[in-house]
Amino acid sequence: DQQVKQNSPSLSVQEGRISILNCDYTNSMFDYFLWYKKYPAEGPTFLISISSIKDKNEDGRFTVFLNKSAKHLSLHIVPSQPGDSAVYFCAARIIQGAQKLVFGQGTRLTINP
Amino acid sequence: DVKVTQSSRYLVKRTGEKVFLECVQDMDHENMFWYRQDPGLGLRLIYFSYDVKMKEKGDIPEGYSVSREKKERFSLILESASTNQTSMYLCASSLDNSNQPQHFGDGTRLSIL
Repeated sequence: DQQVKQNSPSLSVQEGRISILNCDYTNSMFDYFLWYKKYPAEGPTFLISISSIKDKNEDGRFTVFLNKSAKHLSLHIVPSQPGDSAVYFCAARIIQGAQKLVFGQGTRLTINP
Repeated sequence: DVKVTQSSRYLVKRTGEKVFLECVQDMDHENMFWYRQDPGLGLRLIYFSYDVKMKEKGDIPEGYSVSREKKERFSLILESASTNQTSMYLCASSLDNSNQPQHFGDGTRLSIL
């Protein structure tokens, strides 16, 4: 039972354009959402997060949007750069879950010059 | 900077062997986690610990055990390795604070022959 789903295994975007990565979830007990970025042969690194009481959080080129009614979040990267090529994982935390995270399957983003 | 160190980057073992994967963090984090990453499945939680000598099962604990004798060290044990445990294993740690992200090590790629 996949509670967090990233339905696009891969995404290709031209350098300078906007990258939009999507994530859907099913459990309404999730209260906090995170995006991680992973390069090959490295561990995931934290990128940006959003609490369920907000609908938007911005950090430089990265913005995360949360639509609670649709149980959907998205990560926008503007403008996309070659160094953004990586696998992106969304993750969700259950209230009172002792910091447990549930991860999506990941989306491989490729930025083309 | 938080440093999570996994003792081996690559490991090859035989079926039936007892395998130990070690993880050390240097930031006095209360919480530590073990995940495995498989293509198309994302990161799945095996076990986690929120204090010394404490452990909790994650989503896929079968065939694994853990040990946390010291706060900085969290060991994953494959009691009798099987080929379906061939995977990338990732260790993470976090502060015991509701909105602190998990920090990951670079992973151990384990092959069971």
